[in-house]
Amino acid sequence: EAGVTQFPSHSVIEKGQTVTLRCDPISGHDNLYWYRRVMGKEIKFLLHFVKESKQDESGMPNNRFLAERTGGTYSTLKVQPAELEDSGVYFCASSQAPYGYTFGSGTRLTVV
Amino acid sequence: KNQVEQSPQSLIILEGKNCTLQCNYTVSPFSNLRWYKQDTGRGPVSLTIMTFSENTKSNGRYTATLDADTKQSSLHITASQLSDSASYICVVSEPHAGNNRKLIWGLGTSLAVNP
Repeated sequence: EAGVTQFPSHSVIEKGQTVTLRCDPISGHDNLYWYRRVMGKEIKFLLHFVKESKQDESGMPNNRFLAERTGGTYSTLKVQPAELEDSGVYFCASSQAPYGYTFGSGTRLTVV
Repeated sequence: KNQVEQSPQSLIILEGKNCTLQCNYTVSPFSNLRWYKQDTGRGPVSLTIMTFSENTKSNGRYTATLDADTKQSSLHITASQLSDSASYICVVSEPHAGNNRKLIWGLGTSLAVNP
């Protein structure tokens, strides 16, 4: 079974540009989560999809961040326009059972 | 102040030795407490999950304990191996409603096992 796939693995963009991160969850997993780790800080929740619906987006930092999950399959997280403080590692996780989170390897975003 | 505090921040041990990592949390109530291992450049991988009613859970050489009264947890690693070098993160799950769950993460303990 393929795991959670994220790409790109690394992205370096200039302040003001747009970046789109993608997450392919494990096939059949209804729950998809986005988390972010800023350097020196703990991993923090961004949002939670159940199929194509946003169940909880209380962790999204501001309206420069837009997450979508087309048809309840893969998800994208777009940052537009990117700011320096958006740099960090963005993790995606999926689950079907109550406890069975599987994380992707993350996308390291650097805004310069 | 973070709701999940871990100590030590980093630790270096020799291969074959045991070690214990600590986690103190203030999240209350909580659904479960998890320990994750995160290798460099990889996503976190679950080691143990304990509900508030469980005191201990083992996974091979990893043993986690939980004291819900004092809000403390520990992760004990026995007979360490070089591959144990990683960040170990304590995570507390808030009570859920339906499918909605949020994990509250500690900063992690960076463990280096040297030959």
